[in-house]
Amino acid sequence: EAQVTQNPRYLITVTGKKLTVTCSQNMNHEYMSWYRQDPGLGLRQIYYSMNVEVTDKGDVPEGYKVSRKEKRNFPLILESPSPNQTSLYFCASSNTMSETQYFGPGTRLLVL
Amino acid sequence: SQKIEQNSEALNIQEGKTATLTCNYTNYSPAYLQWYRQDPGRGPVFLLLIRENEKEKRKERLKVTFDTTLKQSLFHITASQPADSATYLCALAPRSGNTGKLIFGQGTTLQVKP
Repeated sequence: EAQVTQNPRYLITVTGKKLTVTCSQNMNHEYMSWYRQDPGLGLRQIYYSMNVEVTDKGDVPEGYKVSRKEKRNFPLILESPSPNQTSLYFCASSNTMSETQYFGPGTRLLVL
Repeated sequence: SQKIEQNSEALNIQEGKTATLTCNYTNYSPAYLQWYRQDPGRGPVFLLLIRENEKEKRKERLKVTFDTTLKQSLFHITASQPADSATYLCALAPRSGNTGKLIFGQGTTLQVKP
């Protein structure tokens, strides 16, 4: 089944404790992206990747890192999480930027 | 400043009627617009994409229009059903260089009553 998977789905952590949210797609897509969704602010793009080893900042990249060492995986790294990074995070992928974008199920993060 | 706006108020309509949702943007030159459906607690699901040189796109009961003069896209659901109740998001891809950016509106919640 074609899908985007994220892990973990739920995470409670404390300020400053490094964490990684994994994202994997099995559709051989070139384009992948991370978003956060907050009430009243909608979906905001954090980082995106047009292909392996090619990443770029979205609208809200501060406090986040990403890597794209292989086509199927695009992990989101929070080196030193802060409470303002409490949010619902979505990973997405598509064959190219302008085609159907498939979203993962989301990761709900709470930073205390 | 650059903005993409959707009506934040929920849209309530009767089953069988046509629902029309609006997406307005300012200070962008979009290469294309996308529309998504999002159910509570789930990731957005892609519905339709319309390019800057297209006026209208259809898919079953869905229709999207794109007016670059008015800087507006309209999303229509004809013969609406209670199962169409969800939040609908528009997203804009700026036409500026080789960018992978996608800018989302805040979404409009549609409630279709039986």
